[in-house]
Amino acid sequence: AQSVTQLGSHVSVSEGALVLLRCNYSSSVPPYLFWYVQYPNQGLQLLLKYTTGATLVKGINGFEAEFKKSETSFHLTKPSAHMSDAAEYFCAVSALREGGKLIFGQGTELSVKP
Amino acid sequence: DTEVTQTPKHLVMGMTNKKSLKCEQHMGHRAMYWYKQKAKKPPELMFVYSYEKLSINESVPSRFSPECPNSSLLNLHLHALQPEDSALYLCASSQEGKRGYNEQFFGPGTRLTVL
Repeated sequence: AQSVTQLGSHVSVSEGALVLLRCNYSSSVPPYLFWYVQYPNQGLQLLLKYTTGATLVKGINGFEAEFKKSETSFHLTKPSAHMSDAAEYFCAVSALREGGKLIFGQGTELSVKP
Repeated sequence: DTEVTQTPKHLVMGMTNKKSLKCEQHMGHRAMYWYKQKAKKPPELMFVYSYEKLSINESVPSRFSPECPNSSLLNLHLHALQPEDSALYLCASSQEGKRGYNEQFFGPGTRLTVL
């Protein structure tokens, strides 16, 4: 069965500092991986996804993630945090053998200090 | 139009009420989803409709009844809910469900409170 682990339920950074949110997955087949962001009282918005091809994926709002098969990781980074980045971030893998449904990690809450 | 809309935004209901949540998308997507999300938790999948047919039911209690009248609309009928059903209910859609590489587009959710 596929699964996702997000290390750190809460990450705090200073404005302008590097953002690193960690995601490791378990999958017996080539995975499709996603990062979503959720602002308070809103739905989820796709930041970026990896399906095939280039392992460094660029997304919206300056975020990017690198698929590392050897490390089964798909960490999310942003060089310089903005106050507006404060939100909940979810990593997800597509469960291909279960009708393509999304398996979510537990989420990481990002706080940005001024 | 890359938007999924949900109505109402907020809903308060008693345990004996019957109400419905509505979801609409005009992106031509053929897969639609209902999720339940509790505070500080990831969304939990409830139902998946693929080409207007129910394809996944994640053992959801029968007090939740989904309906897909056409490819653009998805309803969730609620009856005899319990206080623990209070949550944010999210609708999502994707081009096609089973291939897995199509991202899901989420609506803003309905905040449900059961008294």
